[in-house]
Amino acid sequence: EPEVTQTPSHQVTQMGQEVILRCVPISNHLYFYWYRQILGQKVEFLVSFYNNEISEKSEIFDDQFSVERPDGSNFTLKIRSTKLEDSAMYFCASTVGLAGAVEQYFGPGTRLTVT
Amino acid sequence: GDSVTQMEGPVTLSEEAFLTINCTYTATGYPSLFWYVQYPGEGLQLLLKATKADDKGSNKGFEATYRKETTSFHLEKGSVQVSDSAVYFCALSERGGSQGNLIFGKGTKLSVKP
Repeated sequence: EPEVTQTPSHQVTQMGQEVILRCVPISNHLYFYWYRQILGQKVEFLVSFYNNEISEKSEIFDDQFSVERPDGSNFTLKIRSTKLEDSAMYFCASTVGLAGAVEQYFGPGTRLTVT
Repeated sequence: GDSVTQMEGPVTLSEEAFLTINCTYTATGYPSLFWYVQYPGEGLQLLLKATKADDKGSNKGFEATYRKETTSFHLEKGSVQVSDSAVYFCALSERGGSQGNLIFGKGTKLSVKP
Protein backbone atom coordinates (compact mmCIF):
# COMPACT_ATOMS: atom_id res chain seq x y z
CA GLU A 1 0.00 0.00 0.00
CA PRO A 2 1.38 3.42 -0.91
CA GLU A 3 2.45 5.56 2.01
CA VAL A 4 3.86 8.97 2.80
CA THR A 5 7.46 8.85 3.96
CA GLN A 6 9.46 11.43 5.89
CA THR A 7 13.15 11.86 6.58
CA PRO A 8 14.87 12.12 8.91
CA SER A 9 12.86 10.57 11.73
CA HIS A 10 14.73 12.74 14.25
CA GLN A 11 16.72 15.93 13.65
CA VAL A 12 18.73 17.74 16.28
CA THR A 13 19.95 21.22 15.43
CA GLN A 14 21.32 24.28 17.14
CA MET A 15 19.34 27.47 17.45
CA GLY A 16 19.84 29.70 14.42
CA GLN A 17 20.65 26.87 12.05
CA GLU A 18 18.69 26.06 8.93
CA VAL A 19 16.90 22.73 8.68
CA ILE A 20 15.16 21.00 5.81
CA LEU A 21 12.58 18.35 6.52
CA ARG A 22 11.80 16.02 3.66
CA CYS A 23 8.65 14.23 2.63
CA VAL A 24 7.75 11.95 -0.23
CA PRO A 25 3.97 12.12 -0.75
CA ILE A 26 1.97 9.38 -2.41
CA SER A 27 2.75 9.50 -6.10
CA ASN A 28 -0.64 10.37 -7.62
CA HIS A 29 -1.57 12.89 -4.93
CA LEU A 30 -1.92 16.56 -5.78
CA TYR A 31 -2.34 18.40 -2.46
CA PHE A 32 0.40 18.46 0.14
CA TYR A 33 0.43 19.68 3.73
CA TRP A 34 2.69 20.28 6.69
CA TYR A 35 1.46 20.11 10.27
CA ARG A 36 3.34 20.26 13.53
CA GLN A 37 2.74 19.10 17.07
CA ILE A 38 4.59 20.66 19.97
CA LEU A 39 4.93 18.13 22.78
CA GLY A 40 1.70 17.88 24.73
CA GLN A 41 -0.17 20.27 22.44
CA LYS A 42 -2.48 20.06 19.46
CA VAL A 43 -1.54 19.07 15.93
CA GLU A 44 -1.47 22.42 14.11
CA PHE A 45 -1.80 23.17 10.42
CA LEU A 46 1.16 25.00 8.88
CA VAL A 47 0.71 25.12 5.13
CA SER A 48 -0.95 23.52 2.14
CA PHE A 49 0.53 23.32 -1.34
CA TYR A 50 -1.03 22.68 -4.72
CA ASN A 51 0.08 23.15 -8.30
CA ASN A 52 3.52 24.32 -7.19
CA GLU A 53 2.32 27.09 -4.96
CA ILE A 54 1.09 27.66 -1.44
CA SER A 55 -2.71 27.47 -1.34
CA GLU A 56 -3.17 28.25 2.34
CA LYS A 57 -0.98 28.95 5.35
CA SER A 58 -1.49 29.54 9.03
CA GLU A 59 -0.14 32.41 11.10
CA ILE A 60 2.54 30.05 12.40
CA PHE A 61 3.99 29.84 8.89
CA ASP A 62 5.96 33.07 8.93
CA ASP A 63 8.90 34.24 6.82
CA GLN A 64 11.20 31.75 8.54
CA PHE A 65 9.35 28.90 6.86
CA SER A 66 9.25 27.90 3.22
CA VAL A 67 8.08 24.91 1.25
CA GLU A 68 9.20 23.53 -2.05
CA ARG A 69 8.55 20.67 -4.40
CA PRO A 70 11.98 20.49 -6.01
CA ASP A 71 11.20 17.52 -8.22
CA GLY A 72 8.33 15.21 -8.99
CA SER A 73 8.50 13.31 -5.73
CA ASN A 74 9.85 15.33 -2.82
CA PHE A 75 8.09 17.99 -0.76
CA THR A 76 10.25 19.91 1.67
CA LEU A 77 9.80 22.23 4.63
CA LYS A 78 12.67 24.60 5.35
CA ILE A 79 13.13 26.56 8.53
CA ARG A 80 15.72 29.25 7.89
CA SER A 81 16.84 30.12 11.39
CA THR A 82 15.51 27.72 13.98
CA LYS A 83 14.29 28.84 17.39
CA LEU A 84 13.86 26.79 20.53
CA GLU A 85 10.09 26.98 20.10
CA ASP A 86 10.34 25.25 16.72
CA SER A 87 11.03 22.00 18.58
CA ALA A 88 8.11 19.77 17.63
CA MET A 89 7.00 16.76 15.64
CA TYR A 90 6.43 17.76 12.02
CA PHE A 91 3.97 15.76 9.93
CA CYS A 92 3.64 15.78 6.18
CA ALA A 93 0.34 14.77 4.56
CA SER A 94 -1.02 14.41 1.06
CA THR A 95 -4.34 13.82 -0.61
CA VAL A 96 -5.40 12.92 -4.09
CA GLY A 97 -7.49 16.06 -4.39
CA LEU A 98 -10.56 14.65 -6.10
CA ALA A 99 -14.01 15.71 -5.00
CA GLY A 100 -15.26 13.53 -2.18
CA ALA A 101 -11.84 12.03 -1.47
CA VAL A 102 -11.40 13.72 1.86
CA GLU A 103 -8.75 11.54 3.45
CA GLN A 104 -5.36 13.05 4.09
CA TYR A 105 -2.57 10.48 4.31
CA PHE A 106 0.06 11.27 6.91
CA GLY A 107 3.71 10.37 7.21
CA PRO A 108 5.26 9.09 10.45
CA GLY A 109 6.67 12.51 11.32
CA THR A 110 10.07 14.10 11.92
CA ARG A 111 10.92 15.01 15.48
CA LEU A 112 12.84 18.29 15.42
CA THR A 113 14.83 19.20 18.52
CA VAL A 114 16.37 22.67 18.65
CA THR A 115 19.03 23.14 21.32
CA GLY B 1 -12.03 30.52 14.80
CA ASP B 2 -12.80 26.86 14.39
CA SER B 3 -11.65 24.53 17.14
CA VAL B 4 -11.88 20.98 18.44
CA THR B 5 -11.95 19.94 22.08
CA GLN B 6 -11.52 16.34 23.14
CA MET B 7 -11.31 14.71 26.51
CA GLU B 8 -7.99 14.69 28.27
CA GLY B 9 -6.17 11.43 28.60
CA PRO B 10 -4.66 9.11 29.26
CA VAL B 11 -7.49 6.63 29.28
CA THR B 12 -6.72 3.17 30.62
CA LEU B 13 -9.19 0.33 30.09
CA SER B 14 -9.24 -3.40 30.46
CA GLU B 15 -9.68 -5.56 27.37
CA GLU B 16 -13.34 -5.87 26.29
CA ALA B 17 -14.35 -2.69 28.11
CA PHE B 18 -16.54 -0.04 26.48
CA LEU B 19 -14.77 3.01 25.16
CA THR B 20 -16.01 6.57 24.78
CA ILE B 21 -13.76 9.47 23.85
CA ASN B 22 -15.63 12.76 23.82
CA CYS B 23 -15.11 15.33 21.10
CA THR B 24 -16.88 18.65 20.59
CA TYR B 25 -16.25 21.26 17.97
CA THR B 26 -16.77 24.91 17.17
CA ALA B 27 -17.18 25.87 13.53
CA THR B 28 -18.80 28.69 11.60
CA GLY B 29 -19.89 26.54 8.66
CA TYR B 30 -20.66 22.88 8.09
CA PRO B 31 -17.45 20.97 8.64
CA SER B 32 -16.53 17.42 7.90
CA LEU B 33 -15.47 15.52 11.03
CA PHE B 34 -12.79 12.91 11.44
CA TRP B 35 -11.14 10.59 13.91
CA TYR B 36 -7.48 9.85 13.28
CA VAL B 37 -5.43 7.26 15.17
CA GLN B 38 -1.70 7.19 15.76
CA TYR B 39 -0.13 3.88 16.72
CA PRO B 40 3.28 4.00 18.39
CA GLY B 41 6.01 5.00 15.95
CA GLU B 42 3.60 5.55 13.07
CA GLY B 43 1.88 8.43 11.34
CA LEU B 44 -1.72 9.56 11.69
CA GLN B 45 -4.23 7.22 10.04
CA LEU B 46 -7.82 8.06 9.26
CA LEU B 47 -10.06 5.89 11.43
CA LEU B 48 -13.46 7.18 10.35
CA LYS B 49 -15.21 10.25 9.03
CA ALA B 50 -18.61 11.91 8.66
CA THR B 51 -19.35 14.69 6.24
CA LYS B 52 -22.79 15.90 7.29
CA ALA B 53 -25.15 16.00 10.26
CA ASP B 54 -26.48 12.63 11.49
CA ASP B 55 -23.92 10.70 9.46
CA LYS B 56 -22.34 7.82 11.33
CA GLY B 57 -18.76 6.93 10.55
CA SER B 58 -17.58 3.44 11.41
CA ASN B 59 -14.47 1.33 11.02
CA LYS B 60 -12.82 -1.55 12.90
CA GLY B 61 -15.63 -1.61 15.46
CA PHE B 62 -15.33 2.11 16.19
CA GLU B 63 -18.27 4.44 15.60
CA ALA B 64 -18.95 8.16 15.80
CA THR B 65 -22.11 10.11 14.92
CA TYR B 66 -22.06 13.70 13.67
CA ARG B 67 -24.40 15.55 16.07
CA LYS B 68 -24.99 19.08 14.88
CA GLU B 69 -27.34 19.96 17.73
CA THR B 70 -24.68 19.21 20.34
CA THR B 71 -21.70 19.95 18.06
CA SER B 72 -20.22 16.61 19.00
CA PHE B 73 -18.54 13.61 17.37
CA HIS B 74 -17.86 11.18 20.21
CA LEU B 75 -15.86 8.05 19.44
CA GLU B 76 -17.18 4.74 20.79
CA LYS B 77 -16.25 1.09 20.69
CA GLY B 78 -18.14 -1.66 22.40
CA SER B 79 -15.22 -3.93 23.26
CA VAL B 80 -11.65 -2.66 23.07
CA GLN B 81 -8.61 -4.81 22.42
CA VAL B 82 -4.99 -4.45 23.44
CA SER B 83 -4.21 -3.63 19.81
CA ASP B 84 -6.41 -0.51 20.08
CA SER B 85 -3.81 1.12 22.32
CA ALA B 86 -2.91 4.34 20.51
CA VAL B 87 -3.47 8.09 20.49
CA TYR B 88 -6.82 9.18 19.03
CA PHE B 89 -7.29 12.61 17.44
CA CYS B 90 -10.59 14.27 16.63
CA ALA B 91 -10.39 16.72 13.73
CA LEU B 92 -12.52 18.87 11.46
CA SER B 93 -12.15 20.27 7.99
CA GLU B 94 -14.16 23.42 7.41
CA ARG B 95 -14.26 23.16 3.64
CA GLY B 96 -15.37 19.56 3.77
CA GLY B 97 -13.17 18.60 0.89
CA SER B 98 -9.77 17.14 0.37
CA GLN B 99 -8.22 20.56 -0.10
CA GLY B 100 -9.15 21.82 3.34
CA ASN B 101 -6.67 21.87 6.16
CA LEU B 102 -7.48 19.83 9.25
CA ILE B 103 -8.01 21.32 12.70
CA PHE B 104 -7.15 18.80 15.41
CA GLY B 105 -7.91 18.24 19.04
CA LYS B 106 -5.07 17.56 21.47
CA GLY B 107 -5.34 13.82 21.21
CA THR B 108 -6.35 11.19 23.77
CA LYS B 109 -3.98 8.39 24.62
CA LEU B 110 -5.71 5.05 25.12
CA SER B 111 -4.01 2.15 26.88
CA VAL B 112 -5.78 -1.19 26.93
CA LYS B 113 -4.58 -3.76 29.47
CA PRO B 114 -5.04 -7.52 28.94
